[in-house]
Amino acid sequence: DQQVKQNSPSLSVQEGRISILNCDYTNSMFDYFLWYKKYPAEGPTFLISISSIKDKNEDGRFTVFLNKSAKHLSLHIVPSQPGDSAVYFCAASARETSGSRLTFGEGTQLTVNP
Amino acid sequence: NAGVTQTPKFRVLKTGQSMTLLCAQDMNHEYMYWYRQDPGMGLRLIHYSVGEGTTAKGEVPDGYNVSRLKKQNFLLGLESAAPSQTSVYFCASRPLRGGHGELFFGEGSRLTVL
Repeated sequence: DQQVKQNSPSLSVQEGRISILNCDYTNSMFDYFLWYKKYPAEGPTFLISISSIKDKNEDGRFTVFLNKSAKHLSLHIVPSQPGDSAVYFCAASARETSGSRLTFGEGTQLTVNP
Repeated sequence: NAGVTQTPKFRVLKTGQSMTLLCAQDMNHEYMYWYRQDPGMGLRLIHYSVGEGTTAKGEVPDGYNVSRLKKQNFLLGLESAAPSQTSVYFCASRPLRGGHGELFFGEGSRLTVL
């Protein structure tokens, strides 16, 4: 039972264009969502997060949108840069969950071509 | 500026052998986690700890044991390794409060069971 799903295993975009990564969730108890970025042979690093009381959060080139009714969130990267090429993981947690555990999606490999 | 350190980084085991992965964090974080990453399956939680002396099961705990005798260390043990446990293992930690609720990850430990 995959509670967090990233349906696109890979995405390829041109440098300077927008990258849109999508994530769907099924557990209505999730109230906090995060995006992580992972380079090969490194651990995931935190990118941006959003609480369920908001529908948008922006940090520089990165914006996360949350649509609670659709149980969908997306990460927009504008403009995309070659250094953004990495695997992006969507993650979710529920405030009432012991240990504030995160449930991760499968990941999307983003490739930004020069 | 060590953060979360995992040892060893690489290990090859034969079926039935045992081993322990060590995670150490120097950020005085209360919560610690062990995840495994497999192709197409994202990061799945094995076990976690909400404080020294406490442990709890995650999503995929079978075949693993953990201990948190000291706040800064979280050990993951495989008593009798199986080929299905071939994976990349990530340790993570987070404080009880503050930040964006994100986890801080180590660089990973690649385990191969023959």
